[in-house]
Amino acid sequence: KAGVTQTPRYLIKTRGQQVTLSCSPISGHRSVSWYQQTPGQGLQFLFEYFSETQRNKGNFPGRFSGRQFSNSRSEMNVSTLELGDSALYLCASSRLSPTTYYEQYFGPGTRLTVT
Amino acid sequence: GENVEQHPSTLSVQEGDSAVIKCTYSDSASNYFPWYKQELGKRPQLIIDIRSNVGEKKDQRIAVTLNKTAKHFSLHITETQPEDSAVYFCAASRKGSNFGNEKLTFGTGTRLTIIP
Repeated sequence: KAGVTQTPRYLIKTRGQQVTLSCSPISGHRSVSWYQQTPGQGLQFLFEYFSETQRNKGNFPGRFSGRQFSNSRSEMNVSTLELGDSALYLCASSRLSPTTYYEQYFGPGTRLTVT
Repeated sequence: GENVEQHPSTLSVQEGDSAVIKCTYSDSASNYFPWYKQELGKRPQLIIDIRSNVGEKKDQRIAVTLNKTAKHFSLHITETQPEDSAVYFCAASRKGSNFGNEKLTFGTGTRLTIIP
């Protein structure tokens, strides 16, 4: 079974621009979570989508948004980029159900550099 | 919200010795505790997890223990090998009120170096 995939793998953007990142979950997984990973802050939860609805949200400004499509693929968008947004953005998918615990599997990440 | 503290931040161990990484959590309702291993330039990979209804779980050279009363859990790696060198993250989450679990809160990571 194919793992979680993310595109693009690397991005360089300028301050003030916006960016869209994509995540394709493992087949059959309907939950997609997004994380920001930086050396100083570790893995910070952004949001989670399940069945095209945002199920959980972290403490990030409104410039960070996401969505999920009917095929469970997810995108996240960052508008008005700031230098501090430079990070590795990871998505993780999960087979979410009332009886299944939160086993998440990560994608390879998108390395975003803001200059 | 949940807060997870992880110690130590760096750990160097002689090959063949054991390594122990400890995490504490703040939310007594947390019931799921995974550990992830992240090698340099790679994605975090789930290596073991434990639910709150058990106190210990083993998988070959890796074991995790959970103390719900003290709200801490630990990762134990025995007979360490050079390929165990990586950053290890602990995490915790609680059961959601309606469906599945809530978000994972991660510790800040432990950089484990195995000295040949």
